[in-house]
Amino acid sequence: EVQLVESGGGSVQPGGSLRLSCAASGFIFSNYEMNWVRQAPGKGLEWVSFISSSGVNIFYADSVKGRFTISRDNAKNSLYLQMNSLGADDTATYYCTGRHWDYGVYWGRGTLVTVSS
Amino acid sequence: EIVMTQSPLSLPVTPGEPASISCTSSHSLLHTNAYKYLDWYLQKPGQSPQLLIYLGSNRASGVPDRFSGSGSYTNFTLKISRVEAEDVGVYYCMQALQTPFTFGPGTKVDIK
Repeated sequence: EVQLVESGGGSVQPGGSLRLSCAASGFIFSNYEMNWVRQAPGKGLEWVSFISSSGVNIFYADSVKGRFTISRDNAKNSLYLQMNSLGADDTATYYCTGRHWDYGVYWGRGTLVTVSS
Repeated sequence: EIVMTQSPLSLPVTPGEPASISCTSSHSLLHTNAYKYLDWYLQKPGQSPQLLIYLGSNRASGVPDRFSGSGSYTNFTLKISRVEAEDVGVYYCMQALQTPFTFGPGTKVDIK
C-alpha cells in the first residue's frame, strides 16, 4: 500500500523555524518527483516547492523562496521541508505529494503548521 | 505564472444526473510532447486531495469510470456521468506544465 506520512508540524512563534518530514512507503521513492503543497484553513491549495527524483532540480513558490528549503534522502525514502522565518501567512496544512508521470500523484494526509504568538 | 480559473465555483447536483466542471488556463498546457499537463483532484470533506485525472484525460488508479477528463490547450472539462452521493467535495484543477504549479480556486459540489 502506498503511503506518504508527514510529520513535524506544530505551533511556532513568528520568526521561528520548523522542519517537516514525509516518510514514503509502498512505491519506489527514488523514481518519483516530490512536492510540498499547503492549504491555509478554509482556503484552496497552494503549491510550495518541487524536487526532482534525483534531487538535482528544485523550485520554490515566490512566497517561500529564501525561507524554505526542500530536500530528499532516497536511501531513507524521505522528503523534507526546512521552514525558517515563519509568519502568520505560513499557517496551513502541509501535504507532501509524489508524482510519477506513468502512474499519477499520491498525497499524504498532511501536517498542520500554526504560526502564532 | 499560469492562472487557473474554474466554473462554476458552486455546483449543486442531483444523484444519478451528470455534472460538468470547466477549467481554463491563461497559457496553453499542451506540451510539445503532445501531453496536456492538467490534473483534476477531489478533496472530500475532512480529507486530503485525491487525484482523479492526470495529463488531461488519464484516469488515476481506482477512480470510477464515471469520471472523465477532456480538453486541450487552455480549456478543460471534468465530467461525472452519473453523480453519486460520495462525489461531494471540492474539485480542483492544477497545471503541472511549469513552476509555479498553480491550482484553480476550486468548485464545491454538494447534493441538492
